Amino acid sequence: DAGVIQSPRHEVTEMGQEVTLRCKPISGHDYLFWYRQTMMRGLELLIYFNNNVPIDDSGMPEDRFSAKMPNASFSTLKIQPSEPRDSAVYFCASRPEGARKLFFGSGTQLSVL
Amino acid sequence: SQQGEEDPQALSIQEGENATMNCSYKTSINNLQWYRQNSGRGLVHLILIRSNEREKHSGRLRVTLDTSKKSSSLLITASRAADTASYFCATGVQSGYNKLIFGAGTRLAVHP
Repeated sequence: DAGVIQSPRHEVTEMGQEVTLRCKPISGHDYLFWYRQTMMRGLELLIYFNNNVPIDDSGMPEDRFSAKMPNASFSTLKIQPSEPRDSAVYFCASRPEGARKLFFGSGTQLSVL
Repeated sequence: SQQGEEDPQALSIQEGENATMNCSYKTSINNLQWYRQNSGRGLVHLILIRSNEREKHSGRLRVTLDTSKKSSSLLITASRAADTASYFCATGVQSGYNKLIFGAGTRLAVHP
């Protein structure tokens, strides 16, 4: 299995631009999580899905952030418009039903200038 | 806000020594997990301990859990340079067990 795949690995954009991060979970995993990692705030849970349905988006910082999961093998996290304070590493993770441990992707390093 | 807080924030030791990292948390949990993160990479699951367990071993790893003190420790015995990484505790909270909340992490440096 290829593991959780995230793209792009690095994204550099200018303030005000739209940014789309992508994630392909491990096949058969029912849960998908988006986390954000910064030095100041550590790892924050943004949103998670179960069977493609958003269950808890209470960690999404503001309306500029949105996430979708149109099918079991693909999810996006969109920031529009982006701001410098959105600069962070964004991780996607997945796990199957009944399991507790998460499988993480390699992350997307986002820099908003 | 973060559920778990690791202590120390950074640890520097020599190869062969043991490394102990501590984690404290705030609310009731159903499990506690430890993850490792190498620089520039994603997190990798190391070990899970359930709330009704007190100690668990996996290879050179030993995890303890004290629910009365809301704390856990991770011991890495006979450390190697390859153990250099950041280590995070993560708690599965009882109120929403699908949510895994991570601490700030301990940066471990093992010197040859």
